Amino acid sequence: AQKITQTQPGMFVQEKEAVTLDCTYDTSDPSYGLFWYKQPSSGEMIFLIYQGSYDQQNATEGRYSLNFQKARKSANLVISASQLGDSAMYFCAMRGDNTDKLIFGTGTRLQVFP
Amino acid sequence: DTGVSQDPRHKITKRGQNVTFRCDPISEHNRLYWYRQTLGQGPEFLTYFQNEAQLEKSRLLSDRFSAERPKGSFSTLEIQRTEQGDSAMYLCASSSPRGRRPNEKLFFGSGTQLSVL
Repeated sequence: AQKITQTQPGMFVQEKEAVTLDCTYDTSDPSYGLFWYKQPSSGEMIFLIYQGSYDQQNATEGRYSLNFQKARKSANLVISASQLGDSAMYFCAMRGDNTDKLIFGTGTRLQVFP
Repeated sequence: DTGVSQDPRHKITKRGQNVTFRCDPISEHNRLYWYRQTLGQGPEFLTYFQNEAQLEKSRLLSDRFSAERPKGSFSTLEIQRTEQGDSAMYLCASSSPRGRRPNEKLFFGSGTQLSVL
């Protein structure tokens, strides 16, 4: 079975500072992918970043980077230079190579203050 | 690319009534997923289609739930005899995977918020 754990229900960060959102996962699949999605109050899930289990380098997408530590089974999201518009729910998700469904964690609510 | 569209955005119904939601995926996407999200939780997988074929259903999907994608384009999710526990956000997503690889990215709609009174 696959499982995603996000232990931070809420995080606060000051504008322009960096913040790390934690994610740990559990899977028996030898190959898998890890995703982060942002969900603003409008409800839509917005894809942010993807990391493959066999990727040699940590993924980066603009201000988002993924701190992937395979041995620890963690895939933390780092947001640099936080902006007020980053305030939202953030979900970590994974898919194994042998399944078609994406499994989500319970999310972290990020609030950016001026 | 007009994105994934869901209708209605909000639905309020009385317990025992039937409701139907519609999802229009991104036009060239052959996979369509339905998820349910309750307050304070992440989305939970319900079912998915590849073209018109429904390939997997979660155990969360009781007999009162049915989903269709008759022509491999839009999809409908119907809930019969609604219960208060059905109150949730119903999210639709679509994708166009290239082979069976784990990096398939889902594009989500804004969801339908269902409230059962």
